Amino acid sequence: DTGVSQDPRHKITKRGQNVTFRCDPISEHNRLYWYRQTLGQGPEFLTYFQNEAQLEKSRLLSDRFSAERPKGSFSTLEIQRTEQGDSAMYLCASSPSGSTNEKLFFGSGTQLSVL
Amino acid sequence: GESVGLHLPTLSVQEGDNSIINCAYSNSASDYFIWYKQESGKGPQFIIDIRSNMDKRQGQRVTVLLNKTVKHLSLQIAATQPGDSAVYFCAEKYASGTYKYIFGTGTRLKVLA
Repeated sequence: DTGVSQDPRHKITKRGQNVTFRCDPISEHNRLYWYRQTLGQGPEFLTYFQNEAQLEKSRLLSDRFSAERPKGSFSTLEIQRTEQGDSAMYLCASSPSGSTNEKLFFGSGTQLSVL
Repeated sequence: GESVGLHLPTLSVQEGDNSIINCAYSNSASDYFIWYKQESGKGPQFIIDIRSNMDKRQGQRVTVLLNKTVKHLSLQIAATQPGDSAVYFCAEKYASGTYKYIFGTGTRLKVLA
């Protein structure tokens, strides 16, 4: 499967715990995105990377959230001291660089439940 | 917050009829737009895209129309099938200099047999 891969698919945690999600983009895709989606809403932009550089972060991304893409391939999203309001689907997407093909390819997401 | 809005949260159509899903976007400087389909428990799936220098683009059974004057997008699905039942989102990319995409709330399409 050469699509965007996210792990885990589901995560249940207790409030106050730290969680980390992983995203493996489509090979050779330079841009990688993280979005958050709650029930009945569209995906909300969190951050994106061009190779290993984090180019933009949403103000939704509080200091408890951190994303990395150290080698310009896979990325991790960590949430520290989770809160119940963090419960959501966390979606990763990738796209190739260049202006002729900009569409985002999404993974299946990680569903986080904070108890 | 930043958002791309949709006029109709739920649309029910008879199988075989045409569907039209509408979207109002927020940024007149946005230069690229995408429609996505999302089924339950899955990530959004690309349907069709259009650049701001076009006003219409056709795919297989789908057509996207762009009206920049009123900042409006629509997705037309011909001969709607049960497999088209899903939530549909439009997304806009802000003007050059960023690759940030903003999504709307979504429209649920229900296809009635």
